[in-house]
Amino acid sequence: GAVVSQHPSRVICKSGTSVKIECRSLDFQATTMFWYRQFPKQSLMLMATSNEGSKATYEQGVEKDKFLINHASLTLSTLTVTSAHPEDSSFYICSAQMGVFHTFGSGTRLTVV
Amino acid sequence: QKEVEQNSGPLSVPEGAIASLNCTYSDRGSQSFFWYRQYSGKSPELIMSIYSNGDKEDGRFTAQLNKASQYVSLLIRDSQPSDSATYLCAVISSSGSARQLTFGSGTQLTVLP
Repeated sequence: GAVVSQHPSRVICKSGTSVKIECRSLDFQATTMFWYRQFPKQSLMLMATSNEGSKATYEQGVEKDKFLINHASLTLSTLTVTSAHPEDSSFYICSAQMGVFHTFGSGTRLTVV
Repeated sequence: QKEVEQNSGPLSVPEGAIASLNCTYSDRGSQSFFWYRQYSGKSPELIMSIYSNGDKEDGRFTAQLNKASQYVSLLIRDSQPSDSATYLCAVISSSGSARQLTFGSGTQLTVLP
């Protein structure tokens, strides 16, 4: 079955630094990947839709200059949280689309101290 | 109005019982419906997909779809403690771009031994 690898699984960073999260589709090509954020006891909130070779589409209220998304190939999308602050601490999850199915990465727990 | 609504629960059932999870959606043109299971601290995993009115069974799981009532449900028979998780209903809306998923808020299920 389709597998999506997401790294790192857990990261702690200092306030003001940047963190890059990678999302790879291992055995299929994903023209579209999605990035979500999930706060404790809440559902997944879509942050942006990432299309290979084009600019990401951000959801309302998501700062594109803070959450940089790059989808340089059909198997890799990256999310960079720039100038991280404690309120950015969350569980970030990517998914890759193949047809109507969305395969999720294992998630990245970001803690900003 | 939320696009996808679920009873937030929590829902508790004894081991061996049937757990019934419900979801309604607002976009009458939606075509694809999914149930994901999410364990605490983990990313969602797909357990059922359904596209046509009626029932779809897979092992202990049965998904039911009623497009006229804009209602989709998940039944878990012979519930096990390992079924304890948050269950997310997700819909691909006809109005959404790039076939993005819209999630409900999730229902937390606890199966008591």
